[in-house]
Amino acid sequence: DIQMTQTTSSLSASLGDRVTISCSASQGISNYLNWYQQKPDGTVKLLIYYTSSLHSGVPSRFSGSGSGTDYSLTISNLEPEDIATYYCQQYSKLPWTFGGGTKLEIK
Amino acid sequence: DVQLQESGPGLVKPSQSLSLTCTVTGYSITSDYAWNWIRQFPGNKLEWMGYISYSGSTSYNPSLKSRISITRDTSKNQFFLQLNSVTTEDTATYYCAREGYGFAYWGQGTLVTVSA
Repeated sequence: DIQMTQTTSSLSASLGDRVTISCSASQGISNYLNWYQQKPDGTVKLLIYYTSSLHSGVPSRFSGSGSGTDYSLTISNLEPEDIATYYCQQYSKLPWTFGGGTKLEIK
Repeated sequence: DVQLQESGPGLVKPSQSLSLTCTVTGYSITSDYAWNWIRQFPGNKLEWMGYISYSGSTSYNPSLKSRISITRDTSKNQFFLQLNSVTTEDTATYYCAREGYGFAYWGQGTLVTVSA
């Protein structure tokens, strides 16, 4: 299985900050990488698909980038509703696998 | 709008089978996409369990392959998860989700506890 690693398990930032969350794959995944947001009540939403494509309805302050094995999610101008845990997920090779999550908190 | 809703027992005894239903509204499960089950363990690790496609084909996580079955009832626009021979390690929140350019739609999740 492809292992997805989010080395930062928690991150503290201030409102208005630019935040970057990283994710690395155990082998190249050819940009087949999605990002999800999970709120404290368990609700999960797709933010970014195929590394950098913004899912419908997602604010433009979210963006994604990366290639090969290393990917990142950037939130510009952090807002209170962005407090959540963020997960990456690869769909290059079955079984699909997720990173361990990065919990974002307000400083 | 596409909505998914999980339902089923919240408590299952060890060695028994776990059975969950995902009811889909706003889109036919036979039109397109893959319809998935994903679970989240205590401690928040997410595991993709498997899917049934719009055509009825299935794919399962090899870690579960001998215990899992995903089926559907197209007349009710529902798909189902059955996980056999459960242990306490199967305690998790179970989500159903539609896949197509990512898991774009998720249910709210249902907690299943395996305990005697």
